Amino acid sequence: DQQVKQNSPSLSVQEGRISILNCDYTNSMFDYFLWYKKYPAEGPTFLISISSIKDKNEDGRFTVFLNKSAKHLSLHIVPSQPGDSAVYFCAAYSNYQLIWGAGTKLIIKP
Amino acid sequence: DGGITQSPKYLFRKEGQNVTLSCEQNLNHDAMYWYRQDPGQGLRLIYYSQIVNDFQKGDIAEGYSVSREKKESFPLTVTSAQKNPTAFYLCATRQGATNTEAFFGQGTRLTVV
Repeated sequence: DQQVKQNSPSLSVQEGRISILNCDYTNSMFDYFLWYKKYPAEGPTFLISISSIKDKNEDGRFTVFLNKSAKHLSLHIVPSQPGDSAVYFCAAYSNYQLIWGAGTKLIIKP
Repeated sequence: DGGITQSPKYLFRKEGQNVTLSCEQNLNHDAMYWYRQDPGQGLRLIYYSQIVNDFQKGDIAEGYSVSREKKESFPLTVTSAQKNPTAFYLCATRQGATNTEAFFGQGTRLTVV
């Protein structure tokens, strides 16, 4: 049973527009969430995180929103740039172990 | 230069052979992890270690073994008992027992020939 779900395998966005990547979770005990970016044949790199005591966290072009009642978080990238094309993983902490979503492939079109 | 080094980047194994993937870190992190990634899937935890000389099985430990004799090193052995070992293997580290981000190596692509 997947505790962290990324239901969109891929997303295509025009350069300069906003990219919104979504993530749902089932375990209400999760208290810390992270987003990672991954290029092919490389390790994931950390992007941004959010604690369950917050509903928003910003870092430059990246903003993560958390809706605890809906058990949903989203990553907003604005404006989207060609270098943002990658696979994005959502992850949540449970007993200090990271539980991962399956990833969403983001394609930025010129 | 601080970081996590995985070697080799590409590894080919004949069926029936054991192979060992190396993971070395100089970040002084306590916790180390091994993940496996298959196409279209998220990262699945194989083994993890919170401290030297101690490690725990993850979700898919069957056919794998690890050791943690030094803080800096957490090698993963893929044994002949692993039925489908072809995958991308990622090593990660994390500091302490708090909810902090994990840092990843560049990965090892293992192919069974």
